[in-house]
Amino acid sequence: DVKVTQSSRYLVKRTGEKVFLECVQDMDHENMFWYRQDPGLGLRLIYFSYDVKMKEKGDIPEGYSVSREKKERFSLILESASTNQTSMYLCASTPERVGYEQYFGPGTRLTVT
Amino acid sequence: AQTVTQSQPEMSVQEAETVTLSCTYDTSESDYYLFWYKQPPSRQMILVIRQEAYKQQNATENRFSVNFQKAAKSFSLKISDSQLGDAAMYFCAYRSEVRHGQNFVFGPGTRLSVLP
Repeated sequence: DVKVTQSSRYLVKRTGEKVFLECVQDMDHENMFWYRQDPGLGLRLIYFSYDVKMKEKGDIPEGYSVSREKKERFSLILESASTNQTSMYLCASTPERVGYEQYFGPGTRLTVT
Repeated sequence: AQTVTQSQPEMSVQEAETVTLSCTYDTSESDYYLFWYKQPPSRQMILVIRQEAYKQQNATENRFSVNFQKAAKSFSLKISDSQLGDAAMYFCAYRSEVRHGQNFVFGPGTRLSVLP
């Protein structure tokens, strides 16, 4: 089975802190994604990566950056956390071949105080 | 750009009854893929069912089936014999055939409650 893991289920950080969210997948998927999930807004794409060191902005990249140094790992970075970044963060991966669904991690609920 | 709409923010169904969740989408593409995902409370998002746009036959997975109307751009999910474990957020999703780029689009979700 495909497994996507995220480094933390719950995280509490202070305003202004630098925050790292890690995601690892074990199925050699080319594509990896970071989403933010808020009630009533569904999933909004922050960044995605289709290869090592390759990244593209999603719909809401402001305040975030990403890093993909290895194929299996995709990190989301909040350079200076703010209270409006309190949310659920979901990581997903999918093969490059068309038609495949995304496989999701368990999510990280981040609270910024 | 593609959009996905789920017009029912919340729905409820009696245990053992049938419920249908609605999804419509907007696209100019002819080939694409559609998915229904389930997110139980505090649990991981998992795939329920998928549909290839080029297939006319509606997909079925046990108690879950879809009504795919390509011309109407409609993709509803029917859950038969509802069980307590079906209670979750359900997301409709669209995947373009574009290899790179923002090729997944999600709807806002429908929260399904199952009443005993």
